[in-house]
Amino acid sequence: GQQVMQIPQYQHVQEGEDFTTYCNSSTTLSNIQWYKQRPGGHPVFLIQLVKSGEVKKQKRLTFQFGEAKKNSSLHITATQTTDVGTYFCSSNDYKLSFGAGTTVTVRA
Amino acid sequence: EAGVTQFPSHSVIEKGQTVTLRCDPISGHDNLYWYRRVMGKEIKFLLHFVKESKQDESGMPNNRFLAERTGGTYSTLKVQPAELEDSGVYFCASSQEPGGSVGYTFGSGTRLTVV
Repeated sequence: GQQVMQIPQYQHVQEGEDFTTYCNSSTTLSNIQWYKQRPGGHPVFLIQLVKSGEVKKQKRLTFQFGEAKKNSSLHITATQTTDVGTYFCSSNDYKLSFGAGTTVTVRA
Repeated sequence: EAGVTQFPSHSVIEKGQTVTLRCDPISGHDNLYWYRRVMGKEIKFLLHFVKESKQDESGMPNNRFLAERTGGTYSTLKVQPAELEDSGVYFCASSQEPGGSVGYTFGSGTRLTVV
């Protein structure tokens, strides 16, 4: 099935460091949504991006939608242990089906 | 505001048996979705209700799966007869509008194990 491709699948981060996860689509997207799932939990909506080149920030999280609306990124600064979990991106264009996401672990 | 409620949270059944999962969406949300996560990996779309009507059921794997939403409130997903490959976590989500600016609200899921 189709979904937005996400890389990397796993991200091991030292506490305090920054990291970025990327979403890529072969087709232009009408929007992109990001979700976070804590271990054993369920996906929780973080944000939606709609406009070309849009950038939104939530505290230490920065979300960006590419100019061509085919890719997106999530950048987390000064990683904390509370950032542990799996981050998913998807789009209504793909009925919000998620790929494997990026699973983040943090080394204290 | 109560969230999306799913039950049971866990279900273990034998191959060939029937299981019915239930989802109560957020009150007033016309859009209800079912998803399935298999092997702890991808979360796949199953179907989408708008009120009591099936808007899109293209993700339903086969005719052993039957979803209903009588009266446009809660929804059930029945698997009959269950097979081993049906094991996974079944998520329900709801939204006031199709994928609006506040996204979908997911329930905690039902973990189904078929043995």
